[in-house]
Amino acid sequence: AQSVTQPDIHITVSEGASLELRCNYSYGATPYLFWYVQSPGQGLQLLLKYFSGDTLVQGIKGFEAEFKRSQSSFNLRKPSVHWSDAAEYFCAVVSPQAYKLSFGAGTTVTVRA
Amino acid sequence: EAQVTQNPRYLITVTGKKLTVTCSQNMNHEYMSWYRQDPGLGLRQIYYSMNVEVTDKGDVPEGYKVSRKEKRNFPLILESPSPNQTSLYFCASTGQGAYEQYFGPGTRLTVT
Repeated sequence: AQSVTQPDIHITVSEGASLELRCNYSYGATPYLFWYVQSPGQGLQLLLKYFSGDTLVQGIKGFEAEFKRSQSSFNLRKPSVHWSDAAEYFCAVVSPQAYKLSFGAGTTVTVRA
Repeated sequence: EAQVTQNPRYLITVTGKKLTVTCSQNMNHEYMSWYRQDPGLGLRQIYYSMNVEVTDKGDVPEGYKVSRKEKRNFPLILESPSPNQTSLYFCASTGQGAYEQYFGPGTRLTVT
């Protein structure tokens, strides 16, 4: 069965500093991977996705993620964080057969001035 | 505008009082799903539907029912809600052959 692990529950970063959120997945075949963001009191917004091809994918809001098959990882990065990036971030993997999204537990990002 | 809508957005109810949370999508998507979000657990799938009259259990189906009589609607039914069903619920949809799911705004349910 597929699963996703986000090792960091909470990260605090200074505004303007870089951010990296870790995601490890467990899946037998080629995974379809996603990063979603949930701002306080809001729904889920898709940041980026990886299905195949170039392992470095660009998303919205200046985010990017790198797929590393050898490490079973799909880490999210942003070079310079803005205060509006304070949110909870979820990594997810989908099962092509069942159209089921399996989510990690999430990482909460706090941005300090 | 392409969207998934849920109603109500907020609901406070008492143990045992049947309730229904509605979900509707206007994208003609075949696949719809319900998730619940709890702190430290992320989102977990409750039920999903591949098409009209085709539904199946997700990871945490106990205490929930669903139906899919029309392609656009996928209501979540709690026949006898209990306090452990207090949670934030999301409906999602996706089209055949696609894997990106579109989420509704969420329904915050409190059962006392």
